[in-house]
Amino acid sequence: ELKVEQNPLFLSMQEGKNYTIYCNYSTTSDRLYWYRQDPGKSLESLFVLLSNGAVKQEGRLMASLDTKARLSTLHITAAVHDLSATYFCAVDTNNAGNMLTFGGGTRLMVKP
Amino acid sequence: GAVVSQHPSRVICKSGTSVKIECRSLDFQATTMFWYRQFPKQSLMLMATSNEGSKATYEQGVEKDKFLINHASLTLSTLTVTSAHPEDSSFYICSARDDGNQPQHFGDGTRLSIL
Repeated sequence: ELKVEQNPLFLSMQEGKNYTIYCNYSTTSDRLYWYRQDPGKSLESLFVLLSNGAVKQEGRLMASLDTKARLSTLHITAAVHDLSATYFCAVDTNNAGNMLTFGGGTRLMVKP
Repeated sequence: GAVVSQHPSRVICKSGTSVKIECRSLDFQATTMFWYRQFPKQSLMLMATSNEGSKATYEQGVEKDKFLINHASLTLSTLTVTSAHPEDSSFYICSARDDGNQPQHFGDGTRLSIL
């Protein structure tokens, strides 16, 4: 059974600080996704990582994938209040019929 | 980009009522649609996967007679929560994709509240 673990589950940080969210998964994956969810809303796609060593950046967020370590990271640079949300990683594997297994989510609160 | 429309966005109804939620792919043909449920402060849990024209595949612990899924066309899937009770109150999210190599596109979700 594929397991996807995120940490931390909750993160409170000051504006301007850097931090990293980690996503570990238990089996071989074809691709990994990062999503943002605002309260009461659905998922917003942030990144799709398709191969070992993949790195993608959008604004203050940067995601990377290490398939050998079965680890993805979402790095936040110089956080701003608008980044406050819950962030989910999700793993998509052929063995699971190309279905997504989500991590538990990281609730990020950026204080002004 | 690919758009998935989910309707209604919010439902409040009495216990015992059946509620139907629609999920439509607006600009692509959705070979496969997925239904997720999310309880407060928790992650998304897959309920079932439906392929157009065939019976849905339910995840373990999801009652197929309670959560009826119909995927009669390549652009529409419906989830009917039959005889809903307060414990069925949750945020239901659908997603759709056109083939196995494409990412899932998510609807805006339906907040279901059973009184």
